[in-house]
Amino acid sequence: AQSVAQPEDQVNVAEGNPLTVKCTYSVSGNPYLFWYVQYPNRGLQFLLKYITGDNLVKGSYGFEAEFNKSQTSFHLKKPSALVSDSALYFCAVASGGSYIPTFGRGTSLIVHP
Amino acid sequence: GAGVSQSPSNKVTEKGKDVELRCDPISGHTALYWYRQSLGQGLEFLIYFQGNSAPDKSGLPSDRFSAERTGGSVSTLTIQRTQQEDSAVYLCASSLGRGLADTQYFGPGTRLTVL
Repeated sequence: AQSVAQPEDQVNVAEGNPLTVKCTYSVSGNPYLFWYVQYPNRGLQFLLKYITGDNLVKGSYGFEAEFNKSQTSFHLKKPSALVSDSALYFCAVASGGSYIPTFGRGTSLIVHP
Repeated sequence: GAGVSQSPSNKVTEKGKDVELRCDPISGHTALYWYRQSLGQGLEFLIYFQGNSAPDKSGLPSDRFSAERTGGSVSTLTIQRTQQEDSAVYLCASSLGRGLADTQYFGPGTRLTVL
């Protein structure tokens, strides 16, 4: 079985400050990890993914995420937050014999001007 | 190019009525997923189609829910005898169907309200 946890329902950060949105996972094999973003009244949009190789993955809109196998984490980060980054962020994991990713409950990111 | 489209964007229905939700995936994508998003509940997997294989229906919450995919392209999710707890946003996604590393491309969703 595979699972993913996003321990924070909401993250608040001031514009210009660094942001982190946390994600931890549990799988029985090697994980494939994803981050998606959802703006209001829109579908989810792909940000970045980890398949193998370099633990630091760079994605769209200046976001990056670090795969940490020992801590089973894949936290999303950005050095300097923008108000326009305010949205709902979902972490997802796929592994083993299931072609169906498991999504976290989502974290609402609010960037204050 | 064209992304995943879904129709209608909003649907209001009365309890007990049947509804059909449509998804047009990206051309060439062999994998298609349906999810349900309820407030504060994240994404709930419903059903998965891959090419000509039998669909994975393991996420369907009850036998009132069914889905089909015609010609390996358009998919329709049908909810019979709708209940108020069916109110949610129904999201469709498609992908190339090449494996676990596939990126999913989501449609804008259909917001279903059951009165």
